[in-house]
Amino acid sequence: GAGVSQSPSNKVTEKGKDVELRCDPISGHTALYWYRQSLGQGLEFLIYFQGNSAPDKSGLPSDRFSAERTGGSVSTLTIQRTQQEDSAVYLCASSLVLGETQYFGPGTRLLVL
Amino acid sequence: KNEVEQSPQNLTAQEGEFITINCSYSVGISALHWLQQHPGGGIVSLFMLSSGKKKHGRLIATINIQEKHSSLHITASHPRDSAVYICAVLRGSNYKLTFGKGTLLTVNP
Repeated sequence: GAGVSQSPSNKVTEKGKDVELRCDPISGHTALYWYRQSLGQGLEFLIYFQGNSAPDKSGLPSDRFSAERTGGSVSTLTIQRTQQEDSAVYLCASSLVLGETQYFGPGTRLLVL
Repeated sequence: KNEVEQSPQNLTAQEGEFITINCSYSVGISALHWLQQHPGGGIVSLFMLSSGKKKHGRLIATINIQEKHSSLHITASHPRDSAVYICAVLRGSNYKLTFGKGTLLTVNP
C-alpha cells in the first residue's frame, strides 16, 4: 500500500515569506507527527495529532509555526515569515495509534534564502 | 548532557564484521526506537522495544531498562547497511520522541 507522502519534496523561499508543507499519512493511521531535521542538529519533535484530540504543540519552536490536520487525515505545517534558521528537512510520520511504530515520509527540504 | 546519547558517532567496518551501536538515555521511557536513514533517503523504523531483545534478519536490538541502555547489533555486515542509525526514546508521560544524534556506519567491501 501507499506510504506517507509529503509535498513539495523541495522548497526554496525568500526570508519573510510564508510556506505550507503537506503530509498525507497512511490511510487508517490515526496518529500523525511532524519532525524537523537540521544540519548538525539532528531530529527534533515539532507536533503530533491523535484522531480528533487537541494536538501536542509543545515542540513548535515559535509562534510562526502552526499545523492543522483536516478530517483526521491530511496535515499542513505552516511557517510564517520564514527565517534562514528555518532551513531544514521537515519530516512527517504516521502510526496506527499514538505510541506505535511510526512510518516516515520522504521529507520536504526547505531552504530559506 | 543530551537525554539520549549514542556511541560511536562514526563507525567504519569491513564487510562481514559484527557491528554494535550503543544508546544510553537518562529519562524514564516507555519504549525505545531504532531508526535507519540512508544518505539522501528517508527514515525507516527498524525496531520498537520496551524490554528484552528483538531480531529481524541480521539485525538484533536489545534493551536493559535498569541500566537505561540499548544496543543495536548487525551480524555479517554488508555495504548496503551503510547508513545513519538513530536511537529515539518515548517517555512514559507523552508520545514525543527524543532523538540521539545518530551513528554514521560505513561498511566497506
